[in-house]
Amino acid sequence: DAKTTQPTSMDCAEGRAANLPCNHSTISGNEYVYWYRQIHSQGPQYIIHGLKNNETNEMASLIITEDRKSSTLILPHATLRDTAVYYCIVSGGANSKLTFGKGITLSVRP
Amino acid sequence: DGGITQSPKYLFRKEGQNVTLSCEQNLNHDAMYWYRQDPGQGLRLIYYSQIVNDFQKGDIAEGYSVSREKKESFPLTVTSAQKNPTAFYLCATVDGQGSSYEQYFGPGTRLTVT
Repeated sequence: DAKTTQPTSMDCAEGRAANLPCNHSTISGNEYVYWYRQIHSQGPQYIIHGLKNNETNEMASLIITEDRKSSTLILPHATLRDTAVYYCIVSGGANSKLTFGKGITLSVRP
Repeated sequence: DGGITQSPKYLFRKEGQNVTLSCEQNLNHDAMYWYRQDPGQGLRLIYYSQIVNDFQKGDIAEGYSVSREKKESFPLTVTSAQKNPTAFYLCATVDGQGSSYEQYFGPGTRLTVT
C-alpha cells in the first residue's frame, strides 16, 4: 500500500472550516484514499473515502487533486467534538487491509 | 461501537500469563480484524479473518494467536511470548459480502501487563 504523509497537528477555531492535508505521491491507480478519525481512547470512526472524484457526505468533504498525489479532508464547520486524531490512509478497494500511520491531531478551539 | 463488543474495557495481568481478549459482533460481517495501538502511535494490524475458519497474520502477529470458529466471534490470545503486551487493542469488522469500504471498530480493550 502507498504511504501517506500528514502534518503532526493543526488547530482551527470553532465554527470555521478545518482543512486537513495529506500527501500520497506513490498512490497507484486502483488505490483509494480513506479518512478515519479517533477520539481519545475510542475506536476509530470511518469518515469518507474516494478514488478520483471529490466526495461529500454528512460529515465531511474529500478533495483529491487531479494527479491523485494529495488530498484534503474538509470539515466545513468544526465543532469542539471534532477534536481528534485524523488518519489519511491509502489502500485497495473493498475489504482491503488498512495501514494507520500516526495521523494528524486536530484541535478545535472555542 | 455499533454492534461490536469488546470486553472487558480494562484488563490487568501478570507477566508470563496468557490472556484472551474478546471480540463479538452482531453485524453479520464476514471480515474481522485485530489491531494494537501504543501511546501516540497509529494502529498496527495483528491478525485478520475474511471468513469463518480462516485467518491470516498481519504485520505484528508474533506472540499472538486467534481463532474464528464462529462468524460472530474472533478472540485474540496474547501469549507470554509477546514481549511488550501492554497496549490498547481494537477489533474491527467489514461487511465482506458487498463492496464495503468501511471498517467498524469496537470500543477497545486496554491491557496492562506487569
